[in-house]
Amino acid sequence: EAGVVQSPRYKIIEKKQPVAFWCNPISGHNTLYWYRQNLGQGPELLIRYENEEAVDDSQLPKDRFSAERLKGVDSTLKIQPAELGDSAVYLCASSPLIRVFETQYFGPGTRLLVL
Amino acid sequence: AQTVTQSQPEMSVQEAETVTLSCTYDTSENNYYLFWYKQPPSRQMILVIRQEAYKQQNATENRFSVNFQKAAKSFSLKISDSQLGDTAMYFCAFMKLGGSEKLVFGKGTKLTVNP
Repeated sequence: EAGVVQSPRYKIIEKKQPVAFWCNPISGHNTLYWYRQNLGQGPELLIRYENEEAVDDSQLPKDRFSAERLKGVDSTLKIQPAELGDSAVYLCASSPLIRVFETQYFGPGTRLLVL
Repeated sequence: AQTVTQSQPEMSVQEAETVTLSCTYDTSENNYYLFWYKQPPSRQMILVIRQEAYKQQNATENRFSVNFQKAAKSFSLKISDSQLGDTAMYFCAFMKLGGSEKLVFGKGTKLTVNP
């Protein structure tokens, strides 16, 4: 079974530029999460999807961040414009069911560096 | 809000020996899950072990076991017969039952297994 796929693995951009990250969860997984992991910290949730519905986006900085999960499968996280403080690793995770405490399976992450 | 504290930023252990990583958490909830995740240098987060708060018996997974002290809000991870492949960042995480399925992570402990 393929794991959670993320691309790109690395991205370097200049501040004020836009950037997008893509995530393909494990097949059949209904719940998808985006986390941000700053250097030396644990991951922090940005947004959680149940199928195509964003059910928890309270930690998403909505002035510059947006996300979508069309058709309830893969997802895109966008930052526009990027700021220096956005440099971090962006992790995508998925779990099989909704509102059942299944294990979250993480992807390898996208490492973003904003110059 | 829940918080998770890992007081050991770095630890090291000799191969084949036993090491214990500490984790404490703060919550007013009675029903929750606790997790230990491993993040090797490749950055893919992998679940090591999971504990349901309503279970008194400590979880074990092969060489990994936990010491769950609910009253003390403590959740330590013991790794027996340490192997070189155990070298990684270890994150303790909390999830409230019936909540947003959001994992709240500690800052992590960097474990190095020396040959």
